[in-house]
Amino acid sequence: EVQLVESGGGLVQPGGSLRLSCAASGFIFDYYEMNWVRQAPGKGLEWVSYISSSGSTIYYADSVKGRFTISRDNAKNSLYLQINSLRAEDTAVYYCARDSSGFVDWGQGTLVTVSS
Amino acid sequence: QSVLTQPPSASGTPGQRVTISCSGSSSDIGSNIVNWYQQLPGAAPKLLTYSNNQRPSGVPDRFSGSKSGTSASLAISGLQSEDEAAYYCAAWDDSLNAYVFGTGTKVTVL
Repeated sequence: EVQLVESGGGLVQPGGSLRLSCAASGFIFDYYEMNWVRQAPGKGLEWVSYISSSGSTIYYADSVKGRFTISRDNAKNSLYLQINSLRAEDTAVYYCARDSSGFVDWGQGTLVTVSS
Repeated sequence: QSVLTQPPSASGTPGQRVTISCSGSSSDIGSNIVNWYQQLPGAAPKLLTYSNNQRPSGVPDRFSGSKSGTSASLAISGLQSEDEAAYYCAAWDDSLNAYVFGTGTKVTVL
């Protein structure tokens, strides 16, 4: 059974940083591309970032470019999102998603709240 | 970041057919496959259709996706109460090098 478990969310002040993690199991992690998607409270889905299976290709949404960094450790079956210079508008549930002709599997999400 | 345009809401009675539209552009839907996601209240999204009109295993054939030009649509036939959810279309955008989601449609079963 595929499992994606996010962690690392929490309450952080504007300008602060967090590192989100996504622990993957139930599939061969280094075969798959991965993504982060977020959802602000009461709002729609917003794609955040993509990383190829090897980590050699990375894309970001314009709204997070220069502040967020996606990475992966295939030896640890883990995906990461380093988020810096946090703003109130970054408050959201952050999901990791396995990519295989669409986002076929999603984690339960981790909540990031940016507030003073 | 551009988004794909969907109607904010749709509704129907049990057994009816409901269709949700998704409007994009030549750089997203016009050039790439469309996926649809279902998000039940309080849950993570779920892939409903992929590659324009394919269903993952386990998704009932009541759900069908289609694409024409720069638009796509999702049809739900034989509407059931458990179909009450938000639905999002999505596609890769070649000019942005970004994955774009639709604005989302909340389906209500009357």
